[in-house]
Amino acid sequence: DGGITQSPKYLFRKEGQNVTLSCEQNLNHDAMYWYRQDPGQGLRLIYYSQIVNDFQKGDIAEGYSVSREKKESFPLTVTSAQKNPTAFYLCASTSPGNQPQHFGDGTRLSIL
Amino acid sequence: SQQGEEDPQALSIQEGENATMNCSYKTSINNLQWYRQNSGRGLVHLILIRSNEREKHSGRLRVTLDTSKKSSSLLITASRAADTASYFCATDRSNDYKLSFGAGTTVTVRA
Repeated sequence: DGGITQSPKYLFRKEGQNVTLSCEQNLNHDAMYWYRQDPGQGLRLIYYSQIVNDFQKGDIAEGYSVSREKKESFPLTVTSAQKNPTAFYLCASTSPGNQPQHFGDGTRLSIL
Repeated sequence: SQQGEEDPQALSIQEGENATMNCSYKTSINNLQWYRQNSGRGLVHLILIRSNEREKHSGRLRVTLDTSKKSSSLLITASRAADTASYFCATDRSNDYKLSFGAGTTVTVRA
């Protein structure tokens, strides 16, 4: 079955530490996205990538970094510069042309 | 940036009743999409309605779009306990496949 896999499901970060969230898709989608969701709120776009080796900042990119070395993979690093990283992180992918986005089941990041 | 705003923020209904939620947005769009999110899970796509369409149906779901009022509504008929979830509208404004999500409507269906 095709889909998007996010790992880990839960992640804890210590002060000053960088952590990396994994997102893998086998849907053959060109575009991939990272969103942040805070309690009771909608999704805010962190970074997105429309093609391998290219990505753009979203609305809240500060303190985050990404890479897109393979079509299937779009890892997100939450750096120590992100002072309020506690949130639910969602990865999505889509094909070109007004198609819906497919979402993974998220990673919940907390501070130790 | 968040463009869509859902109304109401929360809705509690009895099983079998209909649930209606609304979404308003600010700028012109290519399409508007509705998603459902169960607690602690990712979003699941429900319906996509294009800017030149006025109404779409999918099973017990009915979506309308009024581009002159920049608003959309999602109707769930004959609700079930399994419909308990948060519902989000998302607008596609440009050709770079980015979506802008609202804050969502939390629907609770009581048995």
